[in-house]
Amino acid sequence: KNEVEQSPQNLTAQEGEFITINCSYSVGISALHWLQQHPGGGIVSLFMLSSGKKKHGRLIATINIQEKHSSLHITASHPRDSAVYICAVGEAGSQGNLIFGKGTKLSVKP
Amino acid sequence: DAGVIQSPRHEVTEMGQEVTLRCKPISGHNSLFWYRQTMMRGLELLIYFNNNVPIDDSGMPEDRFSAKMPNASFSTLKIQPSEPRDSAVYFCASSQAGTSTSNQPQHFGDGTRLSIL
Repeated sequence: KNEVEQSPQNLTAQEGEFITINCSYSVGISALHWLQQHPGGGIVSLFMLSSGKKKHGRLIATINIQEKHSSLHITASHPRDSAVYICAVGEAGSQGNLIFGKGTKLSVKP
Repeated sequence: DAGVIQSPRHEVTEMGQEVTLRCKPISGHNSLFWYRQTMMRGLELLIYFNNNVPIDDSGMPEDRFSAKMPNASFSTLKIQPSEPRDSAVYFCASSQAGTSTSNQPQHFGDGTRLSIL
């Protein structure tokens, strides 16, 4: 069993739709990261959180530590949101090792 | 801020050749990470440095892989000899570590796309 599971693996949406990507993990963590990988390959850190909720523009990330689950939401989706979204967790007690999910490939159609 | 700089962007070479990938972290960051990304396995940590010292190299696949960080502004990942299964995108990332680097956002370079023929 993978330590970090993401769902769905692939997601196609129409422009304007509300999108949710889920991440479940099985280890104790110190922090959870959401990353965005553009079609050109670059990776950008979107959020790092260890409790509650964070919001940046149209992106919202939530985490439930008890349930070991996080969600990334995109409101009013746009074709430029098309990317692979990767969940990664920093294992509690580790000194830097991030464990990555396999990613969710999002395509937003105009 | 120039961001994390990796070179080369692309490398195509024949199996058996030595490959050297380079990384310049963001100035002031004291943690540096090398990752490998493949279709099959996704992103995997290879090695991590803190203050130029290798902390965790358990992800380095085998002795053909080595990494160095001679100073705070430069790191190399070397594969010798290279094999076709080493073909992947290699990312370097840096962060400003506190007590736990997994609590700090990591800034990624654009990656090096490596193809071993």
